[in-house]
Amino acid sequence: EVQLVESGGGLVQPGGSLRLSCAASGFTFSSYEMTWVRQAPGKGLEWVSYISSSGHTIYYADSVKGRFTISRDNAKNSLYLQMNSLRAEDTAVYYCARLGGYCTSTSCYYYFDYWGQGTLVTVSS
Amino acid sequence: EIVMTQSPATLSVSPGERATLSCRASQSVSSNLAWYQQKPGQAPRLLIYGASTRATGIPARFSGSGSGTEFTLTISSLQSEDFAVYYCQQYNNWPPGYTFGLGTKLEIK
Repeated sequence: EVQLVESGGGLVQPGGSLRLSCAASGFTFSSYEMTWVRQAPGKGLEWVSYISSSGHTIYYADSVKGRFTISRDNAKNSLYLQMNSLRAEDTAVYYCARLGGYCTSTSCYYYFDYWGQGTLVTVSS
Repeated sequence: EIVMTQSPATLSVSPGERATLSCRASQSVSSNLAWYQQKPGQAPRLLIYGASTRATGIPARFSGSGSGTEFTLTISSLQSEDFAVYYCQQYNNWPPGYTFGLGTKLEIK
């Protein structure tokens, strides 16, 4: 059974830092691309960041670029999100998700096939 | 950036009836469209990918259709556990990023 378990959320002051973790089990973690998605209270879903299976390819949403860093440790079956210079608008539940999909010779097309339960990050003074 | 527009924002339907949810993309996304279900306090769950393929374990009463810019999620006979928020997401324009619709809340009439 695929399981993704996030941790590391909490209350942090504006300008502070937090590191989220996502522990994966039930599948070969090193073979899958992974992503972080967030959801502000009462709002919709916002994609945050992507990392390839090897960790060599990384993308960020413009809203977090330069402040957040995604990484992974395939030996530990773990995904991370280092969040610096946090703002009130970063307050959200953060989900890690596994990517499923396919690639052609020119591009890849991924959807989010399994999600963790989420961890709440609150940025407030 | 591709904008995904879902309609209606809220849909009231009686149990046992059919529900039809719409999603429109601001430009073609081919068939690279997914639907997710989210219940209060829970993570989203993948229902449909490739516009019309049900994910593992998803009941046959859920069906997706469409391509290009117009997509539909149909729930043929609503069960109590189907009342939730539904999001569409395009994954055709990647990179730079994935985009979700704002969701349709399906509520009991």
